[in-house]
Amino acid sequence: GAGVSQSPRYKVAKRGQDVALRCDPISGHVSLFWYQQALGQGPEFLTYFQNEAQLDKSGLPSDRFFAERPEGSVSTLKIQRTQQEDSAVYLCASSFGRTAPYEQYFGPGTRLTVT
Amino acid sequence: AQKVTQAQTEISVVEKEDVTLDCVYETRDTTYYLFWYKQPPSGELVFLIRRNSFDEQNEISGRYSWNFQKSTSSFNFTITASQVVDSAVYFCALSAITRQLTFGSGTQLTVLP
Repeated sequence: GAGVSQSPRYKVAKRGQDVALRCDPISGHVSLFWYQQALGQGPEFLTYFQNEAQLDKSGLPSDRFFAERPEGSVSTLKIQRTQQEDSAVYLCASSFGRTAPYEQYFGPGTRLTVT
Repeated sequence: AQKVTQAQTEISVVEKEDVTLDCVYETRDTTYYLFWYKQPPSGELVFLIRRNSFDEQNEISGRYSWNFQKSTSSFNFTITASQVVDSAVYFCALSAITRQLTFGSGTQLTVLP
């Protein structure tokens, strides 16, 4: 089915390396969200796009984190100079609507391990 | 600020037992939405239900039912006649004007055969 896809599924980076995580939302979904999920915890919000506009980036933990969605479809989350505390699963979700909070559909996540 | 509390970290039941997962939320918004998601061992979050703050009617869907009570800020989830395939982590979440989801810490449900 045409769900949310993410790549790569697993990424191992050495501390200090830059990484780029990709998200392909469900076709036609206007809203796109990134979340970070630490082991044994619930997902935590990072950033939100409506089409190509980044409307909320209040959850990004530092200026090493950067996200973009230049054409309003595919999104990339970039982490510069990775640190061990960045190790987590990064989840992407998309949603149909612009207004009321519609249900978000999640991808399988990218598990990032920083060594 | 919004907060979701799932006090039950782990629950273990035997197949065919009923089980209720608790969720308590905090928000200052008068309009908000509540969600339940399931995260099986494969890791992908699966949407189960969305309810808005104006609709306190309980809902039943097959073996699943939800009890929303604004007076106690609770949105509990019951699985009737549990099955082994119900084993997963269940998350309650809240969304308001900011549209982002605020998740609880999850409840690990294990259904034993």
